[in-house]
Amino acid sequence: EVQVVVSGGGLVQPGGSLRLSCSASGFTFNTYSMHWVRRAPGKGLEYVSAVGGDGISTYYTDSVKGRFTISRDNSKNTVYLQMSSLIAEDTAVYYCVRDFWGGSWALGYWGQGTLVTVSS
Amino acid sequence: QSALTQPASVSGSPGQSITISCTGTSSDVGTYNLVSWYQQHPGKVPKLMIYEGSKRPSGVSNRFSGSKSGNTASLTISGLQAEDEADYHCCSYAGSDSLVFGGGTKLTVL
Repeated sequence: EVQVVVSGGGLVQPGGSLRLSCSASGFTFNTYSMHWVRRAPGKGLEYVSAVGGDGISTYYTDSVKGRFTISRDNSKNTVYLQMSSLIAEDTAVYYCVRDFWGGSWALGYWGQGTLVTVSS
Repeated sequence: QSALTQPASVSGSPGQSITISCTGTSSDVGTYNLVSWYQQHPGKVPKLMIYEGSKRPSGVSNRFSGSKSGNTASLTISGLQAEDEADYHCCSYAGSDSLVFGGGTKLTVL
């Protein structure tokens, strides 16, 4: 059974940093891209970042480029999202997600989400 | 890329059918047959309902169907049930290893 577990959210001041972790199991981790999606209060889902199975190819939405860094440790079946220079607009529930199947570009397996609140 | 356009809300009575539209551009919905739809109940995790425009994952009711015409994708829910009341999000591959979501649609079952 595919499982995705997210941790690391919390309250952080503007300009601060936070690292989210996403631990996965139940599949061959290094053969799947992993994605981060967020939902701000009162807004829709937003695609934030992704990393390929080899950890080399990455993607960032424009609003987080230069501030967020995605990485993965395939030996630990874990993906990370390092967030810095946080602003109020980054306040959201952050989800870690696995492809439905490799290359499908559908988000099939979602972690439970973690709330990040940026506020003084 | 800009977000896909969805109606903010739709409503229907039990047993009726409703359709939620999702309008993109020739850079996303119009070019790729990689539109997906997600159902999200309040406080819950999104659930994949449709992928590759019209395919349903195992376990998703056949009351849910997807289609596309030009730059607009659609999700149709037939035989509306109270449990279908939720937010629905469309999503499309947009090239360069990226996805773009719509703003989400709140479905109310009257």
